[in-house]
Amino acid sequence: GNSVTQMEGPVTLSEEAFLTINCTYTATGYPSLFWYVQYPGEGLQLLLKATKADDKGSNKGFEATYRKETTSFHLEKGSVQVSDSAVYFCALGRNTGFQKLVFGTGTRLLVSP
Amino acid sequence: NAGVTQTPKFQVLKTGQSMTLQCAQDMNHNSMYWYRQDPGMGLRLIYYSASEGTTDKGEVPNGYNVSRLNKREFSLRLESAAPSQTSVYFCASSEVDSAYEAFFGQGTRLTVV
Repeated sequence: GNSVTQMEGPVTLSEEAFLTINCTYTATGYPSLFWYVQYPGEGLQLLLKATKADDKGSNKGFEATYRKETTSFHLEKGSVQVSDSAVYFCALGRNTGFQKLVFGTGTRLLVSP
Repeated sequence: NAGVTQTPKFQVLKTGQSMTLQCAQDMNHNSMYWYRQDPGMGLRLIYYSASEGTTDKGEVPNGYNVSRLNKREFSLRLESAAPSQTSVYFCASSEVDSAYEAFFGQGTRLTVV
């Protein structure tokens, strides 16, 4: 079945450091890939997405590239801020039709000033 | 624009009690979902409703029932709560086609003692 594996946290960084959170997936066919972010006390919100191989999703300085050859969708940001402290979830879903997302376990990011 | 609204935000139940978690969305989405979030396990799908009038089991449906009351509302019922159902519950909605993103409510933190 479909599954998502992401690196365990917490990831602790200083402000302005470079961020990478690894995500790999197993899926049949050609899924869409997502990164969701959960700020403390809130629900999940979509951060970025990519719907086909080699697509790059980007938002708020975060980027992730859909790599079919390595079945990966790693999240990166060049310079993190304290306000980026949150839990990040990698997820996959279907490319068409009804959407039933499969989530990774989440990675907590802590950014200190 | 309220998005997805869940009630209540917090609840403490005794083992064996019943309760219903309410969810409503104002985005005219066809599909709605209930997830639970547990430490180290990410989000797991409990039940979903692809469209008004249909409901289906997800990954972890045991101990739960759902009702798609109308297009806007999708409730989750615990008939006889157990400590294993202590979790954070999220409702989400999405449109059906083209890998549309899922929108999440703020969650209900449920403790069963």
